[in-house]
Amino acid sequence: SYELTQPPSVSVSPGQTARITCSGDALPKKYAYWYQQKSGQAPVLVIYEDSKRPSGIPERFSGSSSGTMATLTISGAQVEDEADYYCYSTDSSGNHSVFGTGTKVTVL
Amino acid sequence: EVQLVQSGAEVKKPGESLRISCKGSGYSFTSYWISWVRQMPGKGLEWMGRIDPSDSYTNYSPSFQGHVTISADKSISTAYLQWSSLKASDTAMYYCARHPSRDGAVAVDMDVWGKGTTVTVSS
Repeated sequence: SYELTQPPSVSVSPGQTARITCSGDALPKKYAYWYQQKSGQAPVLVIYEDSKRPSGIPERFSGSSSGTMATLTISGAQVEDEADYYCYSTDSSGNHSVFGTGTKVTVL
Repeated sequence: EVQLVQSGAEVKKPGESLRISCKGSGYSFTSYWISWVRQMPGKGLEWMGRIDPSDSYTNYSPSFQGHVTISADKSISTAYLQWSSLKASDTAMYYCARHPSRDGAVAVDMDVWGKGTTVTVSS
């Protein structure tokens, strides 16, 4: 079955830039989406269609995609950005969605 | 306010059946697909499948096909996830989530999530 691969963890100091990658064979043809999940809470969409930011999401969150890799960038990371981040997309048929393996972002 | 309200926590024994629910409010329930997502303890998110409440068309992840059933009752704006015979490995948090509409089409992602239903299966 289709897989999206992320690094298990990323650490960044407050105010620095965190980059989280997501690798998948269908990404050249399918959009990537990104979810933030804080401990004990439901996921929140932070980026859709590779690079668009939903209303209410801070501008420090941005997304890009090139070839088989999508990237979520947190510019000027804040302590409140500590969370698990998941990329999300579909397989090449578009019929089955899948989440990435998840990345724990630590800001300290 | 758009909301998805999920049913309460469940504690069941292996082999028992279960149906959990997800009630939509504040929007036209039949206009937006609903997906179910599993999160096992300490693990990542897994997309299980989705339903179009307008006609109950379903689409399952290969990993969950045949293990669960997704259904909906549009008359009461409620989607369901059910098991006929639970296993200990079904212990998890289960979220329902709504697919938005963009440019007149159902989007791949989910924008509104329920708070989750904890299912514990233990003898």
